[in-house]
This record gives sequence, structure tokens and C-alpha cells, in this order.
Amino acid sequence: GNSVTQMEGPVTLSEEAFLTINCTYTATGYPSLFWYVQYPGEGLQLLLKATKADDKGSNKGFEATYRKETTSFHLEKGSVQVSDSAVYFCALNPITGGGNKLTFGTGTQLKVEL
Amino acid sequence: GAVVSQHPSRVICKSGTSVKIECRSLDFQATTMFWYRQFPKKSLMLMATSNEGSKATYEQGVEKDKFLINHASLTLSTLTVTSAHPEDSSFYICSARGIITQETYEQYFGPGTRLTVT
Repeated sequence: GNSVTQMEGPVTLSEEAFLTINCTYTATGYPSLFWYVQYPGEGLQLLLKATKADDKGSNKGFEATYRKETTSFHLEKGSVQVSDSAVYFCALNPITGGGNKLTFGTGTQLKVEL
Repeated sequence: GAVVSQHPSRVICKSGTSVKIECRSLDFQATTMFWYRQFPKKSLMLMATSNEGSKATYEQGVEKDKFLINHASLTLSTLTVTSAHPEDSSFYICSARGIITQETYEQYFGPGTRLTVT
């Protein structure tokens, strides 16, 4: 079946530090990959996505590259801010354009301190 | 665009009562809506998928008679937790998918509803 594995948190960084949150997946075919962010007490917001191998999704300084050879979609940001503190979820949709169900990782909490 | 709202944002109810949660797509027609449950410090668990005008499809282990889902229109789906018990306390999140752009597979999430059963 489909699955998403994320690094366990919490991840605590100082402001302006470099961020990497690892995500690997298992799926048949060519899934679409997503990163969602959840701020305290709120629902999920789509952060970025990639729909095919070697695509790079980017938004708000965050980036992730769809690596089919390593089945990975690691999230990176060069300089984090306190406002980036949130829980980040990696997810996959197994069928591009087919609207199938999302499979989520367990989430990684990020805490950014001054 | 692509805004999904939920109401209420928080609700406290007594054990044995029923609670209805609404999920609305505000600026697009949602052909499919999904209901998730999120436990503290855990990921989202898909409860059911509903398509407008048809019965919801429940995930394994989810009691359909306890969690009633209605998707009566292209902009509204409701989740009713019947005879609620403290173990039903959780954060419930809906998402909606519809024809917005060519990317028809994308889901847009509501802000969530915090249910506390006392």
C-alpha cells in the first residue's frame, strides 16, 4: 500500500538556521507529492507540491524536489523564521489528476526560537 | 480562491448528545469532500469520502452509524457525531475537491473543528 514516512520531531532551530525535514514515500506508479503546514489550532494549508519526477515545488522560501530514484521529497528552507513554527505534513496522492485519497505522514513539529 | 470553511470552530457537548459540523466550499463547487480526524500530535486519519448526492464511503474501522455524513449540495457537507462520548473528542477537519483549475486533484482544507465531549 501507499505510505509516507517523515522524520520524528520536534525539530528545534534558531532563527535564520537551515531547515531540512526528511520525507520518503512508498507508492505504486507516479504519485503527486505535497507538503502541508498546520499552524496551532488551525487546519492544513498547502505549502508546495510536485507532480512528477525532478519537479521542484517552492513557496515562501520552502523548497522540495521530487526524487523518484530515492522516493523522497525532503522539505528545505535556507533561513527559518519564528513565524515558521508549525507542524509540517508530507503527503502523497497516488493518482495524478484522478483525485484519489491523500496519504499523510505523521507530521513533524518545527519550533523556531530567537 | 478555493476557500473552505467549517462551523463551528469549537464545540463542547455533553455525553450522549449529537453534534453537527458543517463544511462549506465558499468559492467553488466541491464534487468530493473528505472528513478527517486528528488526534493530538498525530497525523490525519481519513474517516470518509463523500460525493455530492451519493452516500459516503467510510474507511475501515469508522462507524457509519455514529459518524453520519451528508453531502446534499455542491458546497456543503455535514458530519454528525451521534450519541457522542468522551472518546469522540478530537479535531475534525474537512477538505474539498472540485473543478477549480486544471488541477482537479487538489484538496483544500477547512480550518478544523475542535470537539470536546464532557
